[in-house]
Amino acid sequence: KQEVTQIPAALSVPEGENLVLNCSFTDSAIYNLQWFRQDPGKGLTSLLLIQSSQREQTSGRLNASLDKSSGRSTLYIAASQPGDSATYLCAADQTGANNLFFGTGTRLTVIP
Amino acid sequence: NAGVTQTPKFRVLKTGQSMTLLCAQDMNHEYMYWYRQDPGMGLRLIHYSVGEGTTAKGEVPDGYNVSRLKKQNFLLGLESAAPSQTSVYFCASSWGGLDTQPQHFGDGTRLSIL
Repeated sequence: KQEVTQIPAALSVPEGENLVLNCSFTDSAIYNLQWFRQDPGKGLTSLLLIQSSQREQTSGRLNASLDKSSGRSTLYIAASQPGDSATYLCAADQTGANNLFFGTGTRLTVIP
Repeated sequence: NAGVTQTPKFRVLKTGQSMTLLCAQDMNHEYMYWYRQDPGMGLRLIHYSVGEGTTAKGEVPDGYNVSRLKKQNFLLGLESAAPSQTSVYFCASSWGGLDTQPQHFGDGTRLSIL
């Protein structure tokens, strides 16, 4: 079974700082890795999906990278804003499993 | 455009009671999913459907049943609720399978079993 780990569990940064969130997974046989954002009391919003053949994806101030061989992905947030405060989840599938395996998330607080 | 709507938003049940959670999507998506989210654990897939009239088991299906009689609706049933089923339940939908398509989530149903 795919195991997904996110470190740190919580992170506080001052507004304007660039930051990196980390995600690791145990089985490199994946089709894709996805990053989601979850606001308190809300569902998940898909941010970026990186297919296994890709190395990275970008959307605005967000950049996600994927290194399948090492079982790692990072989410880079540039010029952080208070509105970026949320929990960020990564999820990896597993070839043949037809299932997304989620990490427990990193709770980000951007301090004005 | 409502996206994915879950009802109810909150519910308290007694052990042994039954209930049905409803998920409705208006995006004409083929795939629909039910997850549960527990503190300290990632979301876990309960059941999913790849199209109208189909259902399949996910990672933690025991104690739950599902039905997809209409394309836009996916129902999750608890026949005899247990305290271990206290959780936040999320429904999601997507155009295609997990390997290529991002999922769209509802806002969740918070369920407590006493």
